[in-house]
Amino acid sequence: GESVGLHLPTLSVQEGDNSIINCAYSNSASDYFIWYKQESGKGPQFIIDIRSNMDKRQGQRVTVLLNKTVKHLSLQIAATQPGDSAVYFCAENSVVNTGKLIFGQGTTLQVKP
Amino acid sequence: GAVVSQHPSRVICKSGTSVKIECRSLDFQATTMFWYRQFPKQSLMLMATSNEGSKATYEQGVEKDKFLINHASLTLSTLTVTSAHPEDSSFYICSAREVYTGELFFGEGSRLTVL
Repeated sequence: GESVGLHLPTLSVQEGDNSIINCAYSNSASDYFIWYKQESGKGPQFIIDIRSNMDKRQGQRVTVLLNKTVKHLSLQIAATQPGDSAVYFCAENSVVNTGKLIFGQGTTLQVKP
Repeated sequence: GAVVSQHPSRVICKSGTSVKIECRSLDFQATTMFWYRQFPKQSLMLMATSNEGSKATYEQGVEKDKFLINHASLTLSTLTVTSAHPEDSSFYICSAREVYTGELFFGEGSRLTVL
């Protein structure tokens, strides 16, 4: 979702439901995108990535969708678990093949038992 | 998997003092490391790119004389916050780019509190 000001948007889901977290990226030239999970007080943890020549990639319980036409990225988490509660960030490799990432604003995922 | 270690994980210092934070790639070499800053409930903001054996490249608005970066070896980059003030209190996170594969690995972050 979109964020306003300094507040991270929050997605609240019931345990067992599917979650969809959205992200709008900024640079149409970005060729590589990553989703990270960040738990409180920790560094970002890699979840899944996708290159710009793909529009979908699946991992274990997670799927990333890329729509380059509207510069939109989404992360789908199947059968959401309490351990999935965290802040999720999308990141784009804004300068090709450098590792220099620009992070999106993040979404807090709250999983209700 | 590859590990990036940051030290210290937490540091409290007095206003006006300098603080050094280390970022080490433990089992791989990294010619490029990145430093990010994260304020509470905000995203990670890229501060600078640390290049082994050469000067760091700073993002717009980041003072290079205040945030000194040294990348003297293929496994270590340091960030020194000079003359720290309370507004420098933040979570500082580094990432390291594996020299052969280009994979990125993040450290666990360092929490700086300036009193």
